[in-house]
Amino acid sequence: QVQLQESGPGLVKPSETLSLTCIVSGASISNYYWSWIRQSPGKGLEWIGYIYYSGSSIYNPSLKSRVTMSVDTSKNQFSLKLTSVTAADTAVYYCARVGCTSAVCYFSYWGQGTLVTASS
Amino acid sequence: DIQMTQSPSSLSVSVGDRVTITCRASQKINSYLNWYQQKPGKAPKLLIYAASSLQSGVPSRFSGSGSTTDFTLTISSLQPEDFATYYCEQSYTTPWTFGQGTKVEIK
Repeated sequence: QVQLQESGPGLVKPSETLSLTCIVSGASISNYYWSWIRQSPGKGLEWIGYIYYSGSSIYNPSLKSRVTMSVDTSKNQFSLKLTSVTAADTAVYYCARVGCTSAVCYFSYWGQGTLVTASS
Repeated sequence: DIQMTQSPSSLSVSVGDRVTITCRASQKINSYLNWYQQKPGKAPKLLIYAASSLQSGVPSRFSGSGSTTDFTLTISSLQPEDFATYYCEQSYTTPWTFGQGTKVEIK
C-alpha cells in the first residue's frame, strides 16, 4: 500500500525558507510524477508543482520564482523548498503521487498533510 | 489559468437523497477533470478521474459525467459517510487548478 508522509518545521519566520520532505513507502519513487499541493482557508486548494523521479519539474507560475522541488531516489523521498515566505504561505501542505492515463493525470495518493505557519 | 467554478457552494441533504454537484471550466478541458472528496482534517481522496472513470475502491453510487467545459458529480443515494466537501480539478493544462469546493451537509 502506497503511503506518503510529510515532514518539516511547522513554524517558519517571514522571509525565511519553508522546507518539507515527503517520504514514500510501499512503492518506488521511480517512474512516477510527484506533486505538492497546499490548502489555505483563503485560497482553497492550490497546486504548487510536480517533479518526475528523474528530476524534471513544472511549477505553478504564481510560485515559480520561489519554489524548488527535488527528488532523492536513494531515500525514496522528494522535497519542497519555498523561499521568502509570508503570512500568505500559511497553509496545510500535502504531497501526492500523480497517476496518469492516456486521458488525464490525477492525484492518486496523498500524504496526511502538514500545517506550516509563517509567523515571527 | 483555467478557472473552475463549482455550484452550489454548499447544500443540505438527507441520507438517501440524490446529490448533484456541477463544475464549470473557464475554457475547454476535454475530459481532463477529476473529483475528490475531503473530510475534515483529512487529505482529499480521489473519487473520479477523466470525468467519468470511477477510482478503484470507490462505491458505485458515485458517478461523473460531462466534457469540454461542464461536468457533474452525482451521488445516487447519499450515505452517512458521504458528508464531506467535494472538489473538482482540471489537469488539461498547467497550472492544474481546483474548484472552490462544495460542502455537503446534513439537513
